[in-house]
Amino acid sequence: GIQVEQSPPDLILQEGANSTLRCNFSDSVNNLQWFHQNPWGQLINLFYIPSGTKQNGRLSATTVATERYSLLYISSSQTTDSGVYFCAVNAGNNRKLIWGLGTSLAVNP
Amino acid sequence: NAGVTQTPKFRILKIGQSMTLQCTQDMNHNYMYWYRQDPGMGLKLIYYSVGAGITDKGEVPNGYNVSRSTTEDFPLRLELAAPSQTSVYFCASSYSRGDREVNEQFFGPGTRLTVL
Repeated sequence: GIQVEQSPPDLILQEGANSTLRCNFSDSVNNLQWFHQNPWGQLINLFYIPSGTKQNGRLSATTVATERYSLLYISSSQTTDSGVYFCAVNAGNNRKLIWGLGTSLAVNP
Repeated sequence: NAGVTQTPKFRILKIGQSMTLQCTQDMNHNYMYWYRQDPGMGLKLIYYSVGAGITDKGEVPNGYNVSRSTTEDFPLRLELAAPSQTSVYFCASSYSRGDREVNEQFFGPGTRLTVL
């Protein structure tokens, strides 16, 4: 089945810094989503982005489907950005989301 | 819209007890899912449903049962709880749109279950 790898596994930033998180996947996908899991465990939809580029405030994401990767950009990071960022994909007729192991982000004041 | 709601938020069970985790969505989504998340891991699919009356197994269905009698509700039943079922359980829903399959999944707040 599809493999999803995220990098880096851990990231520590100073408030105000920018960062790029990467998600590689091993096969063509129909769907790719980025989620933020906050320190209270809540899963928040960031982007639904099987291809192309989207922006939402300080966050943006780009998926290059032909090269099988997606990038999540966080600009001017804030302490509230802390948590784990997950990439999840599905492919073909399979509606099951396959999850990466996440990038754990800590933003220090 | 409230989106996807789950109850209870927290629960402690003794080994061998049973319980039902409730999930309701008010977005008229046809697809619904149950996932579990173990510490430090991504989510694993337990069961899913493509519409009322239709359910199917995911990756880790053993020890669980589901039913889908309405579009809105998708309860997850644990029979004979075991310590291995200690986890955080998330319910999700999604929709299909037109000819192109769209599977953007929306998640509830989760239920934290401990089995002692």
